[in-house]
Amino acid sequence: DVKVTQSSRYLVKRTGEKVFLECVQDMDHENMFWYRQDPGLGLRLIYFSYDVKMKEKGDIPEGYSVSREKKERFSLILESASTNQTSMYLCASSLGRTQETQYFGPGTRLLVL
Amino acid sequence: AQSVTQLDSQVPVFEEAPVELRCNYSSSVSVYLFWYVQYPNQGLQLLLKYLSGSTLVKGINGFEAEFNKSQTSFHLRKPSVHISDTAEYFCAVNQIGADKLIFGTGTRLQVFP
Repeated sequence: DVKVTQSSRYLVKRTGEKVFLECVQDMDHENMFWYRQDPGLGLRLIYFSYDVKMKEKGDIPEGYSVSREKKERFSLILESASTNQTSMYLCASSLGRTQETQYFGPGTRLLVL
Repeated sequence: AQSVTQLDSQVPVFEEAPVELRCNYSSSVSVYLFWYVQYPNQGLQLLLKYLSGSTLVKGINGFEAEFNKSQTSFHLRKPSVHISDTAEYFCAVNQIGADKLIFGTGTRLQVFP
């Protein structure tokens, strides 16, 4: 079974702090994704990556950056956390593009005070 | 631009009753279609997907969906639901050749005994 793990289930941070969310997949997938999930808005894509050291902006990249130094690991960085970044963050991976199934981690619920 | 509409934000239903969760999409080109499910406190997992071929797609846990190109719909159905089907369901579309999935806002299915 594909396993996607996220470093924390719950996280509480202060406004202005730098926040790192880590995601690791164990199936040698090429593609990795970061989404945020908010009630009534569904999932929105923040960033994605098709290869090591490559990244592409999603629909809402402002205030975020990403890092992919190794194939299995994809990090989401909040350079200076703000209260409007309080959300559920979901990481996913897939073998290929378009028609391939995405496999999701359990999510990190981030609260920014 | 492609988009996905899930008109019902919540669907309450009694156990053993049938259920239909509606999904409509808009796209000027051919698409792949997906339904994902999110059980409480978990990430998303794939229920089923339509890539090509038969318009009736069967998925896990007794769910099925029908692709209707003329209606641009991909409604999810189950003839008899269980308490364990209580979850949030997301429809998603991927325009063939595009890089990313577009998710709907989700439908929360609540099954009552």
